[in-house]
Amino acid sequence: KAGVTQTPRYLIKTRGQQVTLSCSPISGHRSVSWYQQTPGQGLQFLFEYFSETQRNKGNFPGRFSGRQFSNSRSEMNVSTLELGDSALYLCASSPEGGANEKLFFGSGTQLSVL
Amino acid sequence: KQEVTQIPAALSVPEGENLVLNCSFTDSAIYNLQWFRQDPGKGLTSLLLIQSSQREQTSGRLNASLDKSSGRSTLYIAASQPGDSATYLCAVKGGGADGLTFGKGTHLIIQP
Repeated sequence: KAGVTQTPRYLIKTRGQQVTLSCSPISGHRSVSWYQQTPGQGLQFLFEYFSETQRNKGNFPGRFSGRQFSNSRSEMNVSTLELGDSALYLCASSPEGGANEKLFFGSGTQLSVL
Repeated sequence: KQEVTQIPAALSVPEGENLVLNCSFTDSAIYNLQWFRQDPGKGLTSLLLIQSSQREQTSGRLNASLDKSSGRSTLYIAASQPGDSATYLCAVKGGGADGLTFGKGTHLIIQP
């Protein structure tokens, strides 16, 4: 069974641009969550999608958005990039997003904003 | 707001030693506590998940305990090996809708 796949692996953008990251969950998993990891703040929850609907949202500005497709694949978008958006963006999937389900993480997309 | 703290931030021990990593959290209203491992430049691998009604979980050489009332968890690694070198992260799932709250991790080095 293939794991969680995130593309691209690395991205370099400049301030003001926008970026779209992609995540394909494990087959059969319907919940996809996104996390941002930085050296200063650690791992922080961005949002969770289930059945094409955003179910939970962390404390990030509206420049961060996402969506989920009918095949459970998810994308997140960051508009008007800032230097502080440089981070490792991790996607995780689980079967139903239940409170006691283990999360399976992808290897992440490393975003650098210049 | 839930806060998770991990001590120590870094640890280096010789191969073969048993070791304990610590995690504390401020709000005891949790669904579960999870321990993850992260290798450099990689994603997270789930090691153990302890539900709020449980006291401990074991997997191979790993044992995690949970004391919800005091807001503490420990991860015990027996007979450490160089392959155990990684960053270990503790995370709690709270009652709200904010996903997992993570600690900053313990960077572990096992010296051959």
